[in-house]
Amino acid sequence: NAGVMQNPRHLVRRRGQEARLRCSPMKGHSHVYWYRQLPEEGLKFMVYLQKENIIDESGMPKERFSAEFPKEGPSILRIQQVVRGDSAAYFCASSPRQGPYGGANVLTFGAGSRLTVL
Amino acid sequence: TQLLEQSPQFLSIQEGENLTVYCNSSSVFSSLQWYRQEPGEGPVLLVTVVTGGEVKKLKRLTFQFGDARKDSSLHITAAQPGDTGLYLCAGARAAGNKLTFGGGTRVLVKP
Repeated sequence: NAGVMQNPRHLVRRRGQEARLRCSPMKGHSHVYWYRQLPEEGLKFMVYLQKENIIDESGMPKERFSAEFPKEGPSILRIQQVVRGDSAAYFCASSPRQGPYGGANVLTFGAGSRLTVL
Repeated sequence: TQLLEQSPQFLSIQEGENLTVYCNSSSVFSSLQWYRQEPGEGPVLLVTVVTGGEVKKLKRLTFQFGDARKDSSLHITAAQPGDTGLYLCAGARAAGNKLTFGGGTRVLVKP
């Protein structure tokens, strides 16, 4: 029973390049969340998706960032024209359709993708 | 402005001592979760609390959810070096909604 799989674990990009981060949720999980973490800080919500549907993207920067969760395949977080400020750890989490605690979702996190922009 | 404020931000103690981490908000949460994160890894869920006043114990860890469901605490008894890590609280405003994380408390337990 594999957990949440993220790849790549480490990614180095030069300013202006594109970064694509992939996330395969746990088996049976249909909800995916992306969070960003800067060094020594907590996690900042970015986007919440279900298959083929963005539910909440209130934490996504208005430009250069996009996310998808297609019917087949992993969820992808795409950052276009990266800048140094995009350097961070990006975590994906997944949850089942209905959590056990009165509906509250219990998230399982992947190990993260660490993006470094030179 | 953090919706969830954690304190202290950093805590360094000797093995065997006790410690308490606080998570406070002016908002009401339907549930609150505590995670521990180790360097280079993702957060791992420790506990979920959903009822105001609820207390949950996990071996040497005791979690409490405030009566008004606005705050929570994590108490570790007789801390061990293996307890070292970043402790994160996270709240959900409604069932099925996204989690909002606090800034984290970094705990270092020295042998």
